[in-house]
Amino acid sequence: QVQLVQSGAEMKKPGASVKVSCKASGYTFTAYYIHWVRQAPGQGLEWMGWTHPSSGGTNSAHKFQGRVTMTRDTSVSTVYMDLERLTSDDAAMYYCAFSLATSNWFDSWGQGTLVAVSS
Amino acid sequence: QSVLTQPPSVSGAPGQRVTISCTGSSSNIGANFDVHWYQQLPGSAPKLLIYGSNNRPSGVPDRFSGSKSGTSGSLAITGLQAEDEADYYCQSFDTSLNGPIFGGGTKLTVL
Repeated sequence: QVQLVQSGAEMKKPGASVKVSCKASGYTFTAYYIHWVRQAPGQGLEWMGWTHPSSGGTNSAHKFQGRVTMTRDTSVSTVYMDLERLTSDDAAMYYCAFSLATSNWFDSWGQGTLVAVSS
Repeated sequence: QSVLTQPPSVSGAPGQRVTISCTGSSSNIGANFDVHWYQQLPGSAPKLLIYGSNNRPSGVPDRFSGSKSGTSGSLAITGLQAEDEADYYCQSFDTSLNGPIFGGGTKLTVL
């Protein structure tokens, strides 16, 4: 069945970067967009951006432009999200999710990766 | 502040019907983009509940239904059960932001 499995929890210092991975299985990896969505403690869902594994193309929310990089490795069906210059506001659960089109729903989600930011 | 507006909380007794509204604007729901709904149980990732405004993925009970009209969408849950207690999020696409958008979430309490 379709599965998105994310990397483990991270603890980072302010100013550092974090790289979260999302390994896909159970479907054609290059056919779907992979999105990144984050959720701060006790808060709602916030879309960060997407990457298309086939082309490597990306698009990110204005808020994260210049600070987020999304890449993929088709040989291992994995996408990566790199967030730079972390602050305490970036402490959150980070989810990957896939959709058939950029304006579509998110069919399936990863289990989440908790990123803590503290000095 | 979320682009889509949901009530922070709703509640109902077991067996009752509740609805959750999701209000957008002319650049998202009103621009003919569908509304989708997710259920998030405590400590879990969101799960797709309704897609394309009124379609249920396989495995989602028919107690859950969605609708859309104008610049708003709505989620209805009938025959409320204790296991329905969760946070519910609506989602659409915004042409001004050129990306998916979410509502702020609604906490459903089963009394």
